[in-house]
Amino acid sequence: GDSVTQMEGPVTLSEEAFLTINCTYTATGYPSLFWYVQYPGEGLQLLLKATKADDKGSNKGFEATYRKETTSFHLEKGSVQVSDSAVYFCALSDPLGGNNRLAFGKGNQVVVIP
Amino acid sequence: GAVVSQHPSRVICKSGTSVKIECRSLDFQATTMFWYRQFPKQSLMLMATSNEGSKATYEQGVEKDKFLINHASLTLSTLTVTSAHPEDSSFYICSARSDPSNYGYTFGSGTRLTVV
Repeated sequence: GDSVTQMEGPVTLSEEAFLTINCTYTATGYPSLFWYVQYPGEGLQLLLKATKADDKGSNKGFEATYRKETTSFHLEKGSVQVSDSAVYFCALSDPLGGNNRLAFGKGNQVVVIP
Repeated sequence: GAVVSQHPSRVICKSGTSVKIECRSLDFQATTMFWYRQFPKQSLMLMATSNEGSKATYEQGVEKDKFLINHASLTLSTLTVTSAHPEDSSFYICSARSDPSNYGYTFGSGTRLTVV
């Protein structure tokens, strides 16, 4: 079945550092890929998405490129701020898989230290 | 943009009582809504898919008699936790397909349920 794998463990880094969170996926069809962000005590907010191979999603300085050849959708930001501290979830939706649901990765806690 | 309103944001109830959580799509019609449960520092676990006008589809291991889902209109789905116990304490989040043509999903802000 469809699945999403995120790198293990929390990520702690200093303000203005470069952030990368790895995400790989397994899908039967041609999924759409998403990154969601969750701030403490809140629901999920869509950060960015890509619906086909080689698409680049971007928002608020974050970017991720849909790489079909490596089945990856890594999230990057060149210079993080303290306000970027949150949990980040990679997700996919595979309409050809026969349902409408999102499959989530386990999430990565990002802590940005001033 | 699409907004999903979820209420209440926090609720504390006594063991054995029932709690209803509402999820409304404010500016779009949602034929399908999803209910998730999230444990501390963990990912979202899909509990059920709620379809307007029909019975919900529950994921394996989710007790349908305990977690009652009603989706009576295109803008409202409710999750009722019946005979709540402390182990039901969790963060519950709803989601709706806001843009089927572009696979857009919008999430509610979540409900923190504490059963004492």
